[in-house]
Amino acid sequence: EPEVTQTPSHQVTQMGQEVILRCVPISNHLYFYWYRQILGQKVEFLVSFYNNEISEKSEIFDDQFSVERPDGSNFTLKIRSTKLEDSAMYFCASSGYTGELFFGEGSRLTVL
Amino acid sequence: AQSVTQPDIHITVSEGASLELRCNYSYGATPYLFWYVQSPGQGLQLLLKYFSGDTLVQGIKGFEAEFKRSQSSFNLRKPSVHWSDAAEYFCAVGIGGSQGNLIFGKGTKLSVKP
Repeated sequence: EPEVTQTPSHQVTQMGQEVILRCVPISNHLYFYWYRQILGQKVEFLVSFYNNEISEKSEIFDDQFSVERPDGSNFTLKIRSTKLEDSAMYFCASSGYTGELFFGEGSRLTVL
Repeated sequence: AQSVTQPDIHITVSEGASLELRCNYSYGATPYLFWYVQSPGQGLQLLLKYFSGDTLVQGIKGFEAEFKRSQSSFNLRKPSVHWSDAAEYFCAVGIGGSQGNLIFGKGTKLSVKP
């Protein structure tokens, strides 16, 4: 069964460092998303991406965040200068025309 | 503002017993509604969804949910719980122009007693 894969599963970084989280969506999907879940809190929408551009983003997705699809298969989330409050589980998701989102297992980011 | 409330943080049921997980939403228009399940160390898996039509929707693993517009609710039910159903369950509402912009509830953790 096709699945969304995310790497790394866990990353520890120092505050102020840049982090890139990687996702390989399901191959025939066209819509891509990033969500995050701070420990003990709700899963929150960050951004959606379609046709090589951002289609929607939340207030959380400020200038420190960026996404790109560099090579037609990977979908990355970059955090330019991490803050303590960026510590969270980050979920990538993709969807096709049915609209059903398929989520990856998540990348846990710990900022020290 | 749009929101999703799952009033029960943690529920414990005996194996074989029935289950109902509550979800209430606040959204001005007709929502897209979803239930996801997350097992430890796993991603979020879609159990079922409501877009329109029949208000009782069937999902995977024997789950069903009923959309009640008058109560702004979308409760998840299962007639007989199995030990493997122990997981965290998230209700979500789709808003905006994209079905992918979901607002999630805080989740309900389900424990199953033998």
